[in-house]
Amino acid sequence: KQEVTQIPAALSVPEGENLVLNCSFTDSAIYNLQWFRQDPGKGLTSLLLIQSSQREQTSGRLNASLDKSSGRSTLYIAASQPGDSATYLCAVKEKNDNAGNMLTFGGGTRLMVKP
Amino acid sequence: KAGVTQTPRYLIKTRGQQVTLSCSPISGHRSVSWYQQTPGQGLQFLFEYFSETQRNKGNFPGRFSGRQFSNSRSEMNVSTLELGDSALYLCASSATGSTEAFFGQGTRLTVV
Repeated sequence: KQEVTQIPAALSVPEGENLVLNCSFTDSAIYNLQWFRQDPGKGLTSLLLIQSSQREQTSGRLNASLDKSSGRSTLYIAASQPGDSATYLCAVKEKNDNAGNMLTFGGGTRLMVKP
Repeated sequence: KAGVTQTPRYLIKTRGQQVTLSCSPISGHRSVSWYQQTPGQGLQFLFEYFSETQRNKGNFPGRFSGRQFSNSRSEMNVSTLELGDSALYLCASSATGSTEAFFGQGTRLTVV
């Protein structure tokens, strides 16, 4: 059974810092890994999608990497801003025909960026 | 292009009642998945519908059910509500052949 873990559970940094969020998964047979952002009480906003054949994806100040063999992904946020404060979730889609589009989520990292 | 729309946004129900939540996917998306999010359990997969058929189901009791209509809109029903069903219910839609999931704003269900 796939398990996804995110460390740390919470992180507080001063504005302007570069930071790294970690995600690990137990079964490397995945189609892709997706990073999401969630503001309190709201839905999920897709940030980056990395296919299993890719090593990284970039969007603006965000860069996500994937090391499928070791079961790890990192989300790098450059020059953090108070508006980046949110919970960040990673999710994997397993390479299993029976799984359909099911995603398995990590517990999230709650990020606070202080002005 | 409109995103995933969930209605209602908030619901308060009494134990023992039943509730129906609705999800309209992005136009052209045929896959709709439902998730339950609670502080203790995080995000857990409920079920997925594709072309009006349930394709996959998570580990939830039979009180949780769903369906999908020919226009891909989906409904989720919870019968005999329990206090523990209080949660944020999220739905996600995906295009055929695409594996990126797009989520709605969720329905906050409170059972009292």
